[in-house]
Amino acid sequence: DTAVSQTPKYLVTQMGNDKSIKCEQNLGHDTMYWYKQDSKKFLKIMFSYNNKELIINETVPNRFSPKSPDKAHLNLHINSLELGDSAVYFCASSQVRGGQETQYFGPGTRLLVL
Amino acid sequence: SQQGEEDPQALSIQEGENATMNCSYKTSINNLQWYRQNSGRGLVHLILIRSNEREKHSGRLRVTLDTSKKSSSLLITASRAADTASYFCATDPDSSYKLIFGSGTRLLVRP
Repeated sequence: DTAVSQTPKYLVTQMGNDKSIKCEQNLGHDTMYWYKQDSKKFLKIMFSYNNKELIINETVPNRFSPKSPDKAHLNLHINSLELGDSAVYFCASSQVRGGQETQYFGPGTRLLVL
Repeated sequence: SQQGEEDPQALSIQEGENATMNCSYKTSINNLQWYRQNSGRGLVHLILIRSNEREKHSGRLRVTLDTSKKSSSLLITASRAADTASYFCATDPDSSYKLIFGSGTRLLVRP
């Protein structure tokens, strides 16, 4: 069974649309993350949730809204999509919050905004 | 700005050779991790070295950490074509609850 799964794997949409990406982890971890990887492969953290509580919000435009219905799920909703939002979005989880433990990554969602 | 910078950006070697990648960072850290990313896939954790450790081994991987120079290196010995991937270092700066990733080294191992 996949430890961290994301849906959809690919997302192609028009500028201005609203879309959501879902993430689920079956590892029993307390902390989940969203990362954005740009075309140059640079990976940057966007959000982190610990036990459904937001603990990191890295100056991400408020068009991006994460939601954690329970500690196994962290979804990302994006309003009014822009061309610059095109990237690969990775969900990850770790047993405890912070960078002191291994993070487990999902396979990524490739978002293309036209 | 980025915490970690990998060097070189790209590396091409013959199968069987060793590959060395370097990572430099800016602030004090609790630990440093290395991850691998195969093309079109998510990142996979390779090894974690804590700030009070100087060297760590895992199979064909050897990681060193020099906190005085704020640098780390990843050595892959006896490389295989399957080692072709991008390799990222990641650090957790003190008083931070996040990992900051470097820009990555793209490794190509030619059969």
